[in-house]
Amino acid sequence: KAGVTQTPRYLIKTRGQQVTLSCSPISGHRSVSWYQQTPGQGLQFLFEYFSETQRNKGNFPGRFSGRQFSNSRSEMNVSTLELGDSALYLCASSLLPNYGYTFGSGTRLTVV
Amino acid sequence: KNEVEQSPQNLTAQEGEFITINCSYSVGISALHWLQQHPGGGIVSLFMLSSGKKKHGRLIATINIQEKHSSLHITASHPRDSAVYICAVSLMGNQFYFGTGTSLTVIP
Repeated sequence: KAGVTQTPRYLIKTRGQQVTLSCSPISGHRSVSWYQQTPGQGLQFLFEYFSETQRNKGNFPGRFSGRQFSNSRSEMNVSTLELGDSALYLCASSLLPNYGYTFGSGTRLTVV
Repeated sequence: KNEVEQSPQNLTAQEGEFITINCSYSVGISALHWLQQHPGGGIVSLFMLSSGKKKHGRLIATINIQEKHSSLHITASHPRDSAVYICAVSLMGNQFYFGTGTSLTVIP
């Protein structure tokens, strides 16, 4: 069965631009969560969606937003990109919240 | 202040050795997760625990809820076990906190 698919795998953007990342969960999984990983801060939780509703949000500015569609696919958007947004963005899906997560391979975003 | 503390930060072992990685947390949790990250970034969820002990192959994870402590053990370590091991806790509201990871290198 297909795993969690994140697109694109790599992305280079300029400061001030915005970016949209996509995550397709495992078929049947309804919970999708997003994480940012940087060398300085490690892994940090961004937000979690379940049945198109945001259930929880980490400590990130409002420039970071997301949504989930009726087919459980999720997107996250970062507006007005800053150099510090350069990171590996990971998403994970699970059947239900806190049920056991499968991670995607991530999108590596570089802001120049 | 880190809600999740891992030790050691770095660990080098000879092939075949028994390895223990420790994780302590300071918040009330609904579950604790052990993750494995190989170079290149891919993360694999190894265990999700809310009590007791779980075993999968050569990997064993234990948790003591009263002491707010978990351990990940690797028996008969192998070079392919070389990776970063990350402890994460999920709170009642599905908020996650992560440890800084333990970088394990197993030498043949």
